[in-house]
Parts: sequence; structure tokens; C-alpha cells
Amino acid sequence: AQSVTQLGSHVSVSEGALVLLRCNYSSSVPPYLFWYVQYPNQGLQLLLKYTTGATLVKGINGFEAEFKKSETSFHLTKPSAHMSDAAEYFCAVSDQGYGGSQGNLIFGKGTKLSVKP
Amino acid sequence: IAGITQAPTSQILAAGRRMTLRCTQDMRHNAMYWYRQDLGLGLRLIHYSNTAGTTGKGEVPDGYSVSRANTDDFPLTLASAVPSQTSVYFCASSRRGDSRYGYTFGSGTRLTVV
Repeated sequence: AQSVTQLGSHVSVSEGALVLLRCNYSSSVPPYLFWYVQYPNQGLQLLLKYTTGATLVKGINGFEAEFKKSETSFHLTKPSAHMSDAAEYFCAVSDQGYGGSQGNLIFGKGTKLSVKP
Repeated sequence: IAGITQAPTSQILAAGRRMTLRCTQDMRHNAMYWYRQDLGLGLRLIHYSNTAGTTGKGEVPDGYSVSRANTDDFPLTLASAVPSQTSVYFCASSRRGDSRYGYTFGSGTRLTVV
């Protein structure tokens, strides 16, 4: 079965510092990977996704993620944090087509990002 | 603006009462989903529907039921609410039922069962 592990339920950085949110997945076939962002009292918004092709994926608001098959990782980064980046971030993998599944997204437990002035 | 509308935004419900959370989308997406979000547990799938007229159970379906009479609407019903169903509920949809395209989410319903 597909699964996603997000390392660190809470990450705190200073404004202007590098943001690094970690995500590891398990899969026996090439995965489709996603990062979603949830601002307070809002729904989830798609930040970026990896399907096939280039392993470095650029998303909205200056975020990017790199798919590393050898490490089964899809870490999210941003060179310089802004106060507006404070939110919860969810990594997800698609299990489309595996073992007769319905092709649902499997989410990690989320990482809450705090940005200090 | 195309998207998903959930209602109500929030609700306090007495235990034992019946409640239906509403979800409507205007994107003509085939598949729809209900998740609950709980602190420390992330998002867990309750029920899903790959197309109108069909539904399926997710990871945590007990105590919930759904119906999909048409493409646009996917209501979630709690037949007899219990305090453990206190949560934030999100409705989502995807094009052609293919999760490789990702999901679009509604803004959520915050439910408190007392």
C-alpha cells in the first residue's frame, strides 16, 4: 500500500531563512506526488505536483520540490521564508491503479510551518 | 468562480442528532470525496464516489453515509452523531476520478458534537 511520512509535525524558521519540509513515500511503482498548503480556517490548495519528467518541480509562491527516487523523497523547499508562508503543509501520493484501488490520494499527517519575524 | 461549496461552515450538534453536511461542485468533476481532518492524524478518507450513482468506503466510514444522485452534489450524513465525530470535514473532487491530477478542496465544515 502507498504511504506518506512527513518528518516533523512542526517546523519553525525565521523570516528570510530557508524552508525545508520533508516528505518520504513508499511505492513499488513510479508515484504521482503532491504538496498541498492549508492556511488557517481554509481548505487545502495545490502547491505543486510531480507526475513524470523533470524531477525538480516548481510551484506557487516560490516553493519547489525535488523527486528523488533513490531516496523515496519529495522534500519541499523555499529559499527565503515570508510571514505569509505560515500554514500547514501536506504531502500526498496517488495510489491510482494499484491493487484495484480507486485511485485516491494518500496524505501525510501534515507539517505546521511557523515563521518568526 | 468554479469550485466546491460546503455548508454549513460550522455547526454545534447535540449527540444523537442527525446531520447532513452539504457539498456542491460546479466543475463537472466525476469523482468526489469526503475527508475528516483531526489534529495529529492528518486527513482521513471517509467515503468517495467515482461517478454519479456509485459510492465507496474509505478509511473511516463507520457512522457516516453518502449518496451521489447527480454529478454536482455529494452530501455526507451522520445518522446519530457522537462526540468522536467532532472534526473538520472537507469535501474534494477530481477530474475523471483520477487522483493523479490531484484534488480540489472545499473550505470545510467545522463540526462539534456535544
